[in-house]
Parts: sequence; structure tokens; C-alpha cells
Amino acid sequence: RKEVEQDPGPFNVPEGATVAFNCTYSNSASQSFFWYRQDCRKEPKLLMSVYSSGNEDGRFTAQLNRASQYISLLIRDSKLSDSATYLCVVNIGNRGGATNKLIFGTGTLLAVQP
Amino acid sequence: NAGVMQNPRHLVRRRGQEARLRCSPMKGHSHVYWYRQLPEEGLKFMVYLQKENIIDESGMPKERFSAEFPKEGPSILRIQQVVRGDSAAYFCASSPVASGYNEQFFGPGTRLTVL
Repeated sequence: RKEVEQDPGPFNVPEGATVAFNCTYSNSASQSFFWYRQDCRKEPKLLMSVYSSGNEDGRFTAQLNRASQYISLLIRDSKLSDSATYLCVVNIGNRGGATNKLIFGTGTLLAVQP
Repeated sequence: NAGVMQNPRHLVRRRGQEARLRCSPMKGHSHVYWYRQLPEEGLKFMVYLQKENIIDESGMPKERFSAEFPKEGPSILRIQQVVRGDSAAYFCASSPVASGYNEQFFGPGTRLTVL
């Protein structure tokens, strides 16, 4: 079983649509959670951190359910520029600093159509 | 403030040669991470270094791969006797502290092609 699992997509949606991505993780010791965005042949870039209380950044809303080990991302009013691969990421770190590694899902491809 | 820098951006090697990938972290960052992205796959953690120390190398292949982050200069990921399966994008990231709550900033990557 993969440590972080995502639906690979692709999700093809029209401009203005709302789209939701889901992700599950298997390591209950996961410390922190993120959504990264990766454009084709580029480096990943942080989209937003994910908190248990849920958090919003403009058109983007992220949710974390630690009990279910489930993370979600909601994008409202999709733009053409949102087309990218969205990576669900967990940090396996510890307070002793013995590690601080990111575990990536394989990503969900979003294609927003005009 | 320049971001994470990696060079070369593209590297072509023949089987059996050595590949050296360099990473200069963001200014003020002393923690460096290397990740590998094989074609059509997700990024996989390889190694975590702090100045002059390897903190976690649990993702490094047992043979041919090594990494260092000297007191002066960039971090180096070294692959000896490359094989076709080493062809991938290698990304370096850096952070100012070891806290898992902090963002890791990624460089543009080095795309290694082994002929």
C-alpha cells in the first residue's frame, strides 16, 4: 500500500467549475500536511498547508481528518491557469530532528477547459 | 533573495559514467533534501542533510549513490556507474529549520538522461 494515495485523474473540468481532490495517508505518525502544485516539467511549489480546523486561501479550501487519515482540496471557480498536477504531501518528521522528509502522492492531474 | 539553485539543469551521461548534481540552498537555509522523480511517478525522498552531516539517508539506493553537504559550497548528489534506470528528474529542496511544519523550497531540478 502506498503511503500517500491519490486519484491520478485526469480531471477535465470547464472554467468556473468546482473540483475536489481527495487523498489518504497510511502513516499515523505523519506530522504535517500540504498540497503542492507541479506544472509540467517544473518543480513542485507549495499551494497551501493543511490544518485540522480546515483552512482557506482565496478559491482554495483544504481539510484534514486525522481520524480517517484523509486530506482534501477544493478549488472553486476554476481558471485555465489552475491546470497542473496537484500533489498531496505529508511530512514524516519528529521533534528530535532525526528526519524531516516529505512523502508525496503521485498527483492528480487537473485540466481546466475553456 | 535567490531561490534554490541546481546545476546543471540537464545532464546526459552514458552508462558507466559518473553524474554529479549540485544544489545551492536558499540563503540562510542549512537543511537540504534530495528527491527523485522517475518518469510518470511521484517524487521520492532520497536523503536529508544538514551542514557536514547526513541526517536521514533512508531513501538512498544502497549502492552507487552518495550525498554530501560540506561546510562551504553546494550540496552534491553523486551517482557512480550510472544505469538507464537512473534517468529521472532530481530535485533539491531546502529549509531554514528542521521543523516539519515549515515549507521546503524546491529548486528547478536536474534532468538526468542516461544513454
